[in-house]
Amino acid sequence: SQTIHQWPATLVQPVGSPLSLECTVEGTSNPNLYWYRQAAGRGLQLLFYSVGIGQISSEVPQNLSASRPQDRQFILSSKKLLLSDSGFYLCAWSAFGTDINYGYTFGSGTRLTVV
Amino acid sequence: LAKTTQPISMDSYEGQEVNITCSHNNIATNDYITWYQQFPSQGPRFIIQGYKTKVTNEVASLFIPADRKSSTLSLPRVSLSDTAVYYCLVAPGYSSASKIIFGSGTRLSIRP
Repeated sequence: SQTIHQWPATLVQPVGSPLSLECTVEGTSNPNLYWYRQAAGRGLQLLFYSVGIGQISSEVPQNLSASRPQDRQFILSSKKLLLSDSGFYLCAWSAFGTDINYGYTFGSGTRLTVV
Repeated sequence: LAKTTQPISMDSYEGQEVNITCSHNNIATNDYITWYQQFPSQGPRFIIQGYKTKVTNEVASLFIPADRKSSTLSLPRVSLSDTAVYYCLVAPGYSSASKIIFGSGTRLSIRP
């Protein structure tokens, strides 16, 4: 079965510090991978998506970057965090195929607080 | 990608049936309709997916009219634990489109 792992679950970082959030998927190959951010009480904002190794598309100009060094690994990074980077970050994956019930599967999320 | 419109919030009581409707007027031929449930500080969870007519699983039913320009998620006999945000998503089931964009969702509150 397919699983998605995202860590850490919570993170408190000072302004100006770097960030690295990691997401890995198991049980599938060549998935589409996504990073979302959700502010408190708000909807999901798509930040980045990737259709393959080294292929990253950015949806929102910002202080963040993403990388996909391996097929099932997706990393969200920042060189210098801003207060506005605080939020709930979610990784998700979807896969091509004839089984439409794959849908989109989300990780458990990382609560980032920049102080 | 088809834009979706849902009510911002809904209230109901335990034991009632709840119907949440989503409008998607520009749905494409190869688009499927998927509903997700999200609890605070958790990722959205897949509830149900359909293309047309009616789909039922152990937790919900999904009604899709012939023109597919809307869909209704039906939750039978809700309980307090059904309090969550529900998202309607319209996107190709298997896809050359790479990104998925969620709407604002419907915040469902269940009262005793």
